[in-house]
Amino acid sequence: ILNVEQSPQSLHVQEGDSTNFTCSFPSSNFYALHWYRWETAKSPEALFVMTLNGDEKKKGRISATLNTKEGYSYLYIKGSQPEDSATYLCAPLIYNQGGKLIFGQGTELSVKP
Amino acid sequence: DTGVSQDPRHKITKRGQNVTFRCDPISEHNRLYWYRQTLGQGPEFLTYFQNEAQLEKSRLLSDRFSAERPKGSFSTLEIQRTEQGDSAMYLCASRTLQGVNTEAFFGQGTRLTVV
Repeated sequence: ILNVEQSPQSLHVQEGDSTNFTCSFPSSNFYALHWYRWETAKSPEALFVMTLNGDEKKKGRISATLNTKEGYSYLYIKGSQPEDSATYLCAPLIYNQGGKLIFGQGTELSVKP
Repeated sequence: DTGVSQDPRHKITKRGQNVTFRCDPISEHNRLYWYRQTLGQGPEFLTYFQNEAQLEKSRLLSDRFSAERPKGSFSTLEIQRTEQGDSAMYLCASRTLQGVNTEAFFGQGTRLTVV
């Protein structure tokens, strides 16, 4: 069973704070990492798909980095806004897992105005 | 709307009854995934398909759960003899395999409550 860990499980910040959280995954046979944002009462939506060691992706105030050798990815949110409140999920793709997307338990972010 | 759709959105059933959920993926997507999500947890993998072929079913999944994807289009997930522990959000997602960098698209889920 693929072990995907996300930390912290939950995070409460004030509007304007910058924050970051971690996704850890097995580094062997890795070929891609997906990040999704899941807002309450909506469907999870993809933020980033990352494949290269050292890669950095950015979408507005949200960015992510990837370290495939040690098996982790960081997601950063700069100047958090209440609309950033959501659960952030990561899912690695591993060669011997047949293309399954196995998710971590997520980081639940709450941004207070 | 050409996204992933799931039906029904909500289902309340009595313990012991059978339920069936439907997922219509994005039409050109050959991969289809089913997940279950309970409070405070991430989506738990249940099963997935490539076209009409079921590639894997989670070993943690009871034999009461079965899924099909006839003709490689829509998919159904059936739960027989429901139990209260089956109460959860059931999510469907689809993805194309054209390229390794393709994201999954999710439906809005079916919320199952077993009473």
